[in-house]
Amino acid sequence: DTEVTQTPKHLVMGMTNKKSLKCEQHMGHRAMYWYKQKAKKPPELMFVYSYEKLSINESVPSRFSPECPNSSLLNLHLHALQPEDSALYLCASSQVLAGGQYTQYFGPGTRLTVL
Amino acid sequence: GESVGLHLPTLSVQEGDNSIINCAYSNSASDYFIWYKQESGKGPQFIIDIRSNMDKRQGQRVTVLLNKTVKHLSLQIAATQPGDSAVYFCAGPGGSQGNLIFGKGTKLSVKP
Repeated sequence: DTEVTQTPKHLVMGMTNKKSLKCEQHMGHRAMYWYKQKAKKPPELMFVYSYEKLSINESVPSRFSPECPNSSLLNLHLHALQPEDSALYLCASSQVLAGGQYTQYFGPGTRLTVL
Repeated sequence: GESVGLHLPTLSVQEGDNSIINCAYSNSASDYFIWYKQESGKGPQFIIDIRSNMDKRQGQRVTVLLNKTVKHLSLQIAATQPGDSAVYFCAGPGGSQGNLIFGKGTKLSVKP
């Protein structure tokens, strides 16, 4: 099973709302990632969790708050977003082994629209 | 810093022809590359990967070639089909372990 699931598929929110994006994988991967993808652009890394600990934060504004409750789940909490935050938010997971890069498997994404 | 880039933003091929999508990278220490396919409205899908100790790797209808001398890799798709229409990204290691840097993407269109 190489599936990463994400909910919801679509989300529309106002600038004062609080919402959360959810991601789940059951491949036993211990690294999980959040990416942001604007139209006609490549994915841009936001956060990396390794063994449930935040290991990379690519200078993401604090209105995005990640959380990794356990090794299978990854959340992205959203608060006071701006219209320019509208994008496809992708979750990915991979193995973690010393000294190497490993293939990241992506979910289908959540299409977020901020009004 | 590191960068990974594609040569052409779009590629149009006739159904049944072979497709070649190119990618260049800047960091000669990069040791691992991945090709992803992204169809409209979907997340990137893993196609094939290659490590720097290899020059070539083949999958089902796809071949990746790595030329470390000129820091170039390519994805070849044999007998291209309409279902191959998508945006193709190459990706390589970024500055931190776990960080992937994506190229800008090539949109492949297959004409029937």
